[in-house]
Amino acid sequence: AQSVSQHNHHVILSEAASLELGCNYSYGGTVNLFWYVQYPGQHLQLLLKYFSGDPLVKGIKGFEAEFIKSKFSFNLRKPSVQWSDTAEYFCAVNWSWNNNNDMRFGAGTRLTVKP
Amino acid sequence: KAGVTQTPRYLIKTRGQQVTLSCSPISGHRSVSWYQQTPGQGLQFLFEYFSETQRNKGNFPGRFSGRQFSNSRSEMNVSTLELGDSALYLCASTWGTGELFFGEGSRLTVL
Repeated sequence: AQSVSQHNHHVILSEAASLELGCNYSYGGTVNLFWYVQYPGQHLQLLLKYFSGDPLVKGIKGFEAEFIKSKFSFNLRKPSVQWSDTAEYFCAVNWSWNNNNDMRFGAGTRLTVKP
Repeated sequence: KAGVTQTPRYLIKTRGQQVTLSCSPISGHRSVSWYQQTPGQGLQFLFEYFSETQRNKGNFPGRFSGRQFSNSRSEMNVSTLELGDSALYLCASTWGTGELFFGEGSRLTVL
């Protein structure tokens, strides 16, 4: 069955540190890839998405992610985190061979940024 | 443009009862998906509806069911509630790009 794995359950960083959150998914084929963020007390919001084209995608708030097809990965990065980046981050995959919206999420990574 | 609206936002039930949650998608979105979110488990896919038809279903017991109406509004129902059903239930809609737009969720507590 399709699955999405996020390697880190909880990451703690100091402000200005660099961030990389890992995400891997099962199966190949055509995929649509997403990173969502959930700030404390707020609903899930889209950070960035990849459908096709340049495998390095840029999202909001300085986040970017790189799709590496050979590794089934879509890691999220930010060069310098801020305290306001404290949130939970979810990687999600929608396999395009299935025209239905069957988007699967990873278990999430909680990011705590210390001021 | 109004976002995805879920009601009720909070509810408390006791074991054995049933619950119905409602979701109004963004206008024009015909696909509605439901997820269960619990700490450490992330978002578990429940089911997805499109034009009143269930197209996908996750690995949940038959106590979990849903439906979609002609105006794309959706409801999910959980019967014979168990303690483990306590969770945040999220509804998301899309018009077909795959990008989901989420509501704020319905937080269910089962006592």
